[in-house]
Amino acid sequence: DAKTTQPNSMESNEEEPVHLPCNHSTISGTDYIHWYRQLPSQGPEYVIHGLTSNVNNRMASLAIAEDRKSSTLILHRATLRDAAVYYCILRDLNSGYALNFGKGTSLLVTP
Amino acid sequence: GAVVSQHPSWVICKSGTSVKIECRSLDFQATTMFWYRQFPKQSLMLMATSNEGSKATYEQGVEKDKFLINHASLTLSTLTVTSAHPEDSSFYICSARDGGQGNNQPQHFGDGTRLSIL
Repeated sequence: DAKTTQPNSMESNEEEPVHLPCNHSTISGTDYIHWYRQLPSQGPEYVIHGLTSNVNNRMASLAIAEDRKSSTLILHRATLRDAAVYYCILRDLNSGYALNFGKGTSLLVTP
Repeated sequence: GAVVSQHPSWVICKSGTSVKIECRSLDFQATTMFWYRQFPKQSLMLMATSNEGSKATYEQGVEKDKFLINHASLTLSTLTVTSAHPEDSSFYICSARDGGQGNNQPQHFGDGTRLSIL
């Protein structure tokens, strides 16, 4: 799977929007962009995924650049429970179902 | 939603002991399950992929005789760490893929097992 680049850490105030960036300049046409998050001492949790169009669900929004070389996970109103490590992962359906986790972005939310 | 239950949550045992970790899909059939290991302050590293009824596929560098994986049913996979030593201490996490869903559906993760070998 192609590689992604994320900032090591970000900080946000509670109840403010958070934009978590991810660069994936070597993305292929069959790579889906997946986001998972991992709260402390827990397994990862699925957040959202997309291919080309922007996506919204109850947890977050995913904005994908027109050239698909970057994407942004948007948390509309951060809460303390959103403090976690957020992983941006590219997954090519042709290469199996396993997820290759990078280092992710550690999000700190302050009251 | 889909739930994956992992047991035990934590285990402490003496060096040389074998430890079994269970991963169950509670409300779906998991045709494929994955086992990850995570050391402190690091990301998850895939150890192996197991498909129901067949042998697991191990990632490079993971000893298959050390980490025995069994996926005998569509709802249960087990990881046995044989003759565990302190360097095997880690956070072990399983995930499962719902075989009834499309190819691009998310994986569902257990809450992990923290293994400490004294």
